[in-house]
Amino acid sequence: GENVEQHPSTLSVQEGDSAVIKCTYSDSASNYFPWYKQELGKRPQLIIDIRSNVGEKKDQRIAVTLNKTAKHFSLHITETQPEDSAVYFCAASNLNSGTYKYIFGTGTRLKVLA
Amino acid sequence: DADVTQTPRNRITKTGKRIMLECSQTKGHDRMYWYRQDPGLGLRLIYYSFDVKDINKGEISDGYSVSRQAQAKFSLSLESAIPNQTALYFCATSDSRGNEQFFGPGTRLTVL
Repeated sequence: GENVEQHPSTLSVQEGDSAVIKCTYSDSASNYFPWYKQELGKRPQLIIDIRSNVGEKKDQRIAVTLNKTAKHFSLHITETQPEDSAVYFCAASNLNSGTYKYIFGTGTRLKVLA
Repeated sequence: DADVTQTPRNRITKTGKRIMLECSQTKGHDRMYWYRQDPGLGLRLIYYSFDVKDINKGEISDGYSVSRQAQAKFSLSLESAIPNQTALYFCATSDSRGNEQFFGPGTRLTVL
């Protein structure tokens, strides 16, 4: 079945360093890839997304890259800050299917050490 | 602000009890979803609905049922709760373009 693998499961970085989280999807029909951030005790919230017709998207300190051939996409956070500490989830979806179901990765717990 | 709300926020129940979790939204979205979150397993889809007449099973629907009472309300029921249904449950909504799913605050369910 459809699957999204996410690595690493935990990631610790020093404040100011960069963090990279990687995901691999199995369904080649996937064409929409959102990233959600979940702070402790809070709901997941969308932080950035990318569609399959572009290879990279940036929004201030965060960026997402997509390699359709390899079916990989990654989240990059630069100049990390303590408030970046959270669990991050990647997801894949086929918006052409009409169902708009997301298949989520298992999450990455990011800790930014001051 | 338009929002997604869930009740109750926390619930402790016993094995074999019937329980209902409720989700309401004021976003005007037609699509609604129920997810379950377990540590290390991410968010897994239980059921989803496009409108009051359309209900679909997700990847882990066994042991659960749903009801879409109105466009704004989507309820999840556990007919006979069991301990391995202890989890954090999220409702989510999206519009007809499906670009972003908006999550409710979650319901923490414990089955003893």
